[in-house]
Amino acid sequence: GAGVSQTPSNKVTEKGKYVELRCDPISGHTALYWYRQSLGQGPEFLIYFQGTGAADDSGLPNDRFFAVRPEGSVSTLKIQRTERGDSAVYLCASSSYGGSTDTQYFGPGTRLTVL
Amino acid sequence: GNSVTQMEGPVTLSEEAFLTINCTYTATGYPSLFWYVQYPGEGLQLLLKATKADDKGSNKGFEATYRKETTSFHLEKGSVQVSDSAVYFCALNPKAQGAQKLVFGQGTRLTINP
Repeated sequence: GAGVSQTPSNKVTEKGKYVELRCDPISGHTALYWYRQSLGQGPEFLIYFQGTGAADDSGLPNDRFFAVRPEGSVSTLKIQRTERGDSAVYLCASSSYGGSTDTQYFGPGTRLTVL
Repeated sequence: GNSVTQMEGPVTLSEEAFLTINCTYTATGYPSLFWYVQYPGEGLQLLLKATKADDKGSNKGFEATYRKETTSFHLEKGSVQVSDSAVYFCALNPKAQGAQKLVFGQGTRLTINP
């Protein structure tokens, strides 16, 4: 079956611009996660959705970052007033129910470059 | 807090060599432990997991045992192949109420030479 998909695969923007990154989880998965991976590092947690609600947004670095999942399926990560330090690969993952033993399935990522 | 420390890479081995990648963790409770792998040009995928102490996860010839007493989850394989070349990430899920995030180590790049 289809895995997690993310669009676009690459995004180049200028400092100060607004960007939206999209994640399409595995069908039927109620839990959705966003992570950020900088070069040479492991992914860092940003936010976790259970259904339509953000159950844990403790990883969002500041109020320029926001994410939504209005119908409990597709999610959009929104970054306002982008900065060069926001350049990274943004990963989305989904899991069937969000438990601590549940396997998270990752998408291919969106590589964001802020010039 | 919760954290994962992995053996620093890169690691380079010859085909059929024995592999160990060390992973230790710090957690406030009894986390679930995972190894993820990222092959060149591909996304992260689960390699194996263990959800309680003394559990052994295994897949594709790789094994790791959840050792609570040493807070470790070392990855091992008896005979590596060129196709095992990838970046390996150790991770934990802290099992905290309402928080289902994965906490990752920095990754270990493995290269296997024929």
